[in-house]
Amino acid sequence: GAGVSQTPSNKVTEKGKYVELRCDPISGHTALYWYRQSLGQGPEFLIYFQGTGAADDSGLPNDRFFAVRPEGSVSTLKIQRTERGDSAVYLCASSLSFRDTQYFGPGTRLTVL
Amino acid sequence: AQKVTQAQTEISVVEKEDVTLDCVYETRDTTYYLFWYKQPPSGELVFLIRRNSFDEQNEISGRYSWNFQKSTSSFNFTITASQVVDSAVYFCALLDNYGQNFVFGPGTRLSVLP
Repeated sequence: GAGVSQTPSNKVTEKGKYVELRCDPISGHTALYWYRQSLGQGPEFLIYFQGTGAADDSGLPNDRFFAVRPEGSVSTLKIQRTERGDSAVYLCASSLSFRDTQYFGPGTRLTVL
Repeated sequence: AQKVTQAQTEISVVEKEDVTLDCVYETRDTTYYLFWYKQPPSGELVFLIRRNSFDEQNEISGRYSWNFQKSTSSFNFTITASQVVDSAVYFCALLDNYGQNFVFGPGTRLSVLP
């Protein structure tokens, strides 16, 4: 079956712009997670959805970051007024439910110039 | 707070050598879950194994084996007869009982030379 997909695979933007990153989880997975991975580091948790609601958004670095999952499937991570420090690979994962194994997408590499 | 330590930043071995990647974790939970993921140069994280805290049995899957020792809070990963395709960054990770706090170690970059 299809795995987790993320679009775009690469995004280059200018400082101050707004970006949206999309994640399509594995069909039937109710839990969805966003992570950020900087070069040479492990993924860092950003936000977790169970169904449509954000169950834990404690990892979002500040209020420029926001994520939605309106129908409990596809999720969009939104970053306003991007800064150079936001440059990283943004990973999405999904799992059947919370505590189940998370399967990761290929990531979106965001570069803020 | 939960923490995962992978003390080996980089390891290089020659093909067919055995190699062990270390993972030490910290948690106050009595129920938790441990994972290993592989991240090849293509970038996608590939799930390798999941182990819950109640199951200390070691596991073998082909050339891969895992040694879980609660007494030392370690979950080490051994690759037997390594191959060039094993070259990747390997991450150990810890999930709490509530399924919300998923903490990754910094990763170990394994290079297997022909």
